[in-house]
Amino acid sequence: QKEVEQDPGPLSVPEGAIVSLNCTYSNSAFQYFMWYRQYSRKGPELLMYTYSSGNKEDGRFTAQVDKSSKYISLFIRDSQPSDSATYLCAMSGSRDYNKLIFGAGTRLAVHP
Amino acid sequence: SAVISQKPSRDICQRGTSLTIQCQVDSQVTMMFWYRQQPGQSLTLIATANQGSEATYESGFVIDKFPISRPNLTFSTLTVSNMSPEDSSIYLCSVGQGSSTEAFFGQGTRLTVV
Repeated sequence: QKEVEQDPGPLSVPEGAIVSLNCTYSNSAFQYFMWYRQYSRKGPELLMYTYSSGNKEDGRFTAQVDKSSKYISLFIRDSQPSDSATYLCAMSGSRDYNKLIFGAGTRLAVHP
Repeated sequence: SAVISQKPSRDICQRGTSLTIQCQVDSQVTMMFWYRQQPGQSLTLIATANQGSEATYESGFVIDKFPISRPNLTFSTLTVSNMSPEDSSIYLCSVGQGSSTEAFFGQGTRLTVV
């Protein structure tokens, strides 16, 4: 079993839809949770960062962490074609906080 | 966030040869890392590049295959040695600062071994 599970998709939605992206994990020591966006042939770009449980909102993006369920989510409101990319979740523990464990990434396509 | 430049952006190499990838950051950073992203798979940490000392390798990665240098706080290199087609992948440089867990990535080097 992988430490971080993420459905690779692809996920196809119409413009304006609310998108929900999710990851589950098995290591209860994870404390730091991140979402990266990766456009084709580009490096990952840090989108959201959350420590421990709770919600964090930034514009159209909301990150949620539920440590009791070992489940994290990224919501994208009013999705745009420019949101079409691969979204990677990543996490780390407090001991080795710089060692990020990544999910496989979910490919998202937002069509006009 | 720091601006991270990687060279080359892509290369096609013959098996048995070696390729050195450079990572240059526009500001001094505490932490530098090298990741591999194989086709259709997630990013995997290869090693932490330590300034002035040997890199710290993750399980499954060895110095003979992936020698790393970090001569200062803004520059690092990763060499992929004695390449085989299985080494075809995207190699990414990542940086972080101090106690922050936020990591930033370069654009990656797309390597194809034939």
